[in-house]
Amino acid sequence: KAGVTQTPRYLIKTRGQQVTLSCSPISGHRSVSWYQQTPGQGLQFLFEYFSETQRNKGNFPGRFSGRQFSNSRSEMNVSTLELGDSALYLCASSLDGSWNTEAFFGQGTRLTVV
Amino acid sequence: GIQVEQSPPDLILQEGANSTLRCNFSDSVNNLQWFHQNPWGQLINLFYIPSGTKQNGRLSATTVATERYSLLYISSSQTTDSGVYFCAVEPGTGNQFYFGTGTSLTVIP
Repeated sequence: KAGVTQTPRYLIKTRGQQVTLSCSPISGHRSVSWYQQTPGQGLQFLFEYFSETQRNKGNFPGRFSGRQFSNSRSEMNVSTLELGDSALYLCASSLDGSWNTEAFFGQGTRLTVV
Repeated sequence: GIQVEQSPPDLILQEGANSTLRCNFSDSVNNLQWFHQNPWGQLINLFYIPSGTKQNGRLSATTVATERYSLLYISSSQTTDSGVYFCAVEPGTGNQFYFGTGTSLTVIP
């Protein structure tokens, strides 16, 4: 069965612009989480969605937002991009909301802000 | 939040050698997974192992939840094992993973 799919794979944006990233979870998975990976900060949690509801949010400014659709696909949006937003953004999906089941990650979207 | 420490940070091995990677965590966890990050950035699942021992080919892992650590064993290493290995834990408080800083493994022929 198909894995977690993230689109696009690569993006180059200019400071001040906004960007939307997409994540399609494994079929049947209802929980989707987003992570940011940078060389300086490592892997950091952004937010988690289950059944279209944001259940948890990491320590990121309000410029970072997300949503989940009824088919469990999720999008994250970053507005007013800053150079420091350049990172690999990873999405993970899990079968249910308990997170004591295995989570699977997508290939990521590499965002470069210039 | 929970603290996750991985050691060693860097490891260089000759092909064929064995290695042990360690992950210590500061609180009890619901979920613990080991990942290998490939050169393109994707986190590849190695083990889902909140407790106990599992083996998959040349790789095996053990988690001792009561002592708050996990070990990843790589035997007969190959150049394709090179990359960064991450331990991630979920403490059951917010449906999020906390990641260690990773072990960067280089296997030389």
